[in-house]
Parts: sequence; C-alpha cells; structure tokens
Amino acid sequence: GENVEQHPSTLSVQEGDSAVIKCTYSDSASNYFPWYKQELGKGPQLIIDIRSNVGEKKDQRIAVTLNKTAKHFSLHITETQPEDSAVYFCAASHTGGFKTIFGAGTRLFVKA
Amino acid sequence: EAGVAQSPRYKIIEKRQSVAFWCNPISGHATLYWYQQILGQGPKLLIQFQNNGVVDDSQLPKDRFSAERLKGVDSTLKIQPAKLEDSAVYLCASSLDLDSSYEQYFGPGTRLTVT
Repeated sequence: GENVEQHPSTLSVQEGDSAVIKCTYSDSASNYFPWYKQELGKGPQLIIDIRSNVGEKKDQRIAVTLNKTAKHFSLHITETQPEDSAVYFCAASHTGGFKTIFGAGTRLFVKA
Repeated sequence: EAGVAQSPRYKIIEKRQSVAFWCNPISGHATLYWYQQILGQGPKLLIQFQNNGVVDDSQLPKDRFSAERLKGVDSTLKIQPAKLEDSAVYLCASSLDLDSSYEQYFGPGTRLTVT
C-alpha cells in the first residue's frame, strides 16, 4: 500500500540552530502536504502546508520545500527555541484531504 | 472560534466490551475524519465523512468498528467488541470543505485502554 516515510525519528538540536525533517511519499496522486506539531496529550496542530503547484513556502521561522519529481518534501525550522520541542508529523493526501497518510513522526528536542 | 471537541478524554474497558467516542467538529466544517493513533506512531485514517455521507472508509475494520454522522454535524465512532490491539488515541478532525479549504483541525483525542 501507499506510505509516507519520515526521517529522522529523533532530532536533538541546540537552541538557535536549525532543524530539518524529511519525508518521502509513494502515492503519485498526492498533491497536498501538511505538517503538524503534536505536544503531549494534545491533538496534532497544523503548522504549515504546501500544495503541489508550489515548490517552497515560508512562514516566519518555518519553511517547507517540495520536490514532486523525487516525491520528497522537507520541513525547515530556523532559530529553534525550547518551545519548538514536540513531535512533528508530515502527511500526504489527495485534493480534498482524501487518502491522508501520516509519517511516523520526528521527536524534536531543543536544548537551551 | 471553538475547536474540535471530543469526549470522553479517557476510557478504560476490558476486551470484548463495547465503547463509543463522540466528536463535535468546528462549526460549519463539512468534512469530518476519524483517526487511530497507536503510541509512537502517526495517525492512521479510519473514515472520512462529507456532511453525513461516507467518502472513504477503506481502512475501517468494519467487522468491529462503525461510525456515523447523523445530520452532518456530530459523529460517533464505536468499537464492538474491543480487542487489546485497539488501545490507542482516537482523534477526530474536521475541515471546511473538499474543494479549496481542506486543512484539517484536530481535537484533543480520546485515549482508549483495553485490558
């Protein structure tokens, strides 16, 4: 079946450094790629998303890049802060949110 | 704006018992999703509704799981009978529509423990 692979599973960075999380998807029909942040005891929260007609999108310290040919997309967090510590999930879906598949998650630790 | 509401937040049952979860989506959101999140994994889509109709239930274990969304607003997910492997967090999410605004907003989840 279709899947989304996410790496690394754990990432530890120093405060102020950058963090990069990478995902690969298999479903060629996927054209919507959201990223979620999940804190302990809470549901995932959408932090940024990108659609297939765009190669890069930025929102303050967060950016996402998409390479549709290679079926890769990545999350970049710059100037990390301790409050960025959480589990981050990538996902891929068709238009309308159909066939949404999540990656396994990356636990990010930002050390003060 | 109120978020997605779910209840109960926690539930402990014995195997072979039945359980039901409730979800109230964000007001005006036509699309509703139920996910299963096993500890240490990403959420897995179980079922997707558009208004009160099912648009995808391909990953719902239909021999024991059922879901409904009467009147196109609230939804319930039921497990009967429960198995040990059903222990997980059950997340509900909603989005505005299927056409242009399908960003998903998640509720806090219901943590189910089957003993």
